[in-house]
Amino acid sequence: KAGVTQTPRYLIKTRGQQVTLSCSPISGHRSVSWYQQTPGQGLQFLFEYFSETQRNKGNFPGRFSGRQFSNSRSEMNVSTLELGDSALYLCASSFLTGKNEQFFGPGTRLTVL
Amino acid sequence: AQSVTQPDIHITVSEGASLELRCNYSYGATPYLFWYVQSPGQGLQLLLKYFSGDTLVQGIKGFEAEFKRSQSSFNLRKPSVHWSDAAEYFCAVRDITEAGNMLTFGGGTRLMVKP
Repeated sequence: KAGVTQTPRYLIKTRGQQVTLSCSPISGHRSVSWYQQTPGQGLQFLFEYFSETQRNKGNFPGRFSGRQFSNSRSEMNVSTLELGDSALYLCASSFLTGKNEQFFGPGTRLTVL
Repeated sequence: AQSVTQPDIHITVSEGASLELRCNYSYGATPYLFWYVQSPGQGLQLLLKYFSGDTLVQGIKGFEAEFKRSQSSFNLRKPSVHWSDAAEYFCAVRDITEAGNMLTFGGGTRLMVKP
C-alpha cells in the first residue's frame, strides 16, 4: 500500500506570494491533518479534515487555509507569504480517529525569500 | 492546555549502549501517547503508541516505552543503540476526549551515536 504523498517536495516563494501544497493520504484513509515544523516553534498542528469537513484548527492566522476533496486528498494554502512561513509542512493521514495511528508524509519544504 | 516536555534537547550515546529518552506530559486525564522518529529531511515514523492496558509498550526497531501515570511520563528506551538510530525523536499526545486526531508534540530530542 502506498504511503502518504506530498507535492511538491520543495518550494521557493517570495514574500507576498501565495502557495498551495497537496497531500494524498493512504488509500482508504479519511482523516488528513497538517502540521508545520520549524526550528523555533517545533511541530505545530495546523488543521484536520475528515470527510471534507474541517474538524480541528490550530492557532494559526487566517492566511492558512485548507480543504479536502471527496477522494480524501487535501490541499493547504498560505496567502501573503511571510518570511516566518518558511518551514517543513507535514501531512498525516489516518483511517478514522480514536485508537488509530497517523501516518506522516515526507513533507514539503517551503522557503520564503 | 495540554503540553509535552522533552527535557533533553540533545543526547549522545555510544553504539551498543542503552538509551532512555524522557517525556513528560501535562494533561488532566491520560491521553493517547506516541513516540515518533524523524531522520534528516524525512517525515515522522511511528515507533510505538499507548492507548490503554499494559504500561510497557513494545515498538519497532527494538524500542519500548513505559507509561507511568503517577509521574505523567512516557519514556522511550532501547537496550542497545545502533548507529542507524541517530535521528530526532518526538513524543506526542492526543486528547482522548476529542473526536479529532490532533497531536501535541514535545520539542524533540536529537540523538547522536558515537562509534
